[in-house]
Amino acid sequence: GAGVSQTPSNKVTEKGKYVELRCDPISGHTALYWYRQSLGQGPEFLIYFQGTGAADDSGLPNDRFFAVRPEGSVSTLKIQRTERGDSAVYLCASSLTGTGDTEAFFGQGTRLTVV
Amino acid sequence: AQSVTQPDIHITVSEGASLELRCNYSYGATPYLFWYVQSPGQGLQLLLKYFSGDTLVQGIKGFEAEFKRSQSSFNLRKPSVHWSDAAEYFCAVGPNNAGKSTFGDGTTLTVKP
Repeated sequence: GAGVSQTPSNKVTEKGKYVELRCDPISGHTALYWYRQSLGQGPEFLIYFQGTGAADDSGLPNDRFFAVRPEGSVSTLKIQRTERGDSAVYLCASSLTGTGDTEAFFGQGTRLTVV
Repeated sequence: AQSVTQPDIHITVSEGASLELRCNYSYGATPYLFWYVQSPGQGLQLLLKYFSGDTLVQGIKGFEAEFKRSQSSFNLRKPSVHWSDAAEYFCAVGPNNAGKSTFGDGTTLTVKP
């Protein structure tokens, strides 16, 4: 596609439920990133994929959060046993190579609300 | 640990006036610095970036930023603001990796007619 696509754009779930958030990066981009943006704050890095592998998952807050990118393209962020504190906008970005003078392109995000 | 401070939560300027948004960073190595803009309902858009070389960086939409290593700053400027510039602006610092950055908490810009 022309840009990074995230689905759904909005997700409301009950506390304790499991959710999956999807990211379709720009075609050909090998690097993919997930961020979380809470109200009034800047984006917070969660995880970085280079190809199919998670090159850096240091930002995942706990083991309820997991992300995959099985074919090196689409990625899914999975959150188990959701908590109200997980409510935020989840942003995905992709870049051509992930290093050097390349730009990261962001999607419009998925707004997750845990009630 | 790396961090970014944007001291101004909210700035209001008149259309046509000049603009400076402040950004201070803490980073243990040579920083890669970025400014992004986020409009309501839109994704983050890169305005400009500094990797190396000339410390005055030109970006899109008439923005520029100056890297000052001695002050650990990377302030964003625009000589004449347009109403369409109203948005939230984020400064970010990171390693040599396009998307793995630490962001500040943003500055909201309001433009008065």
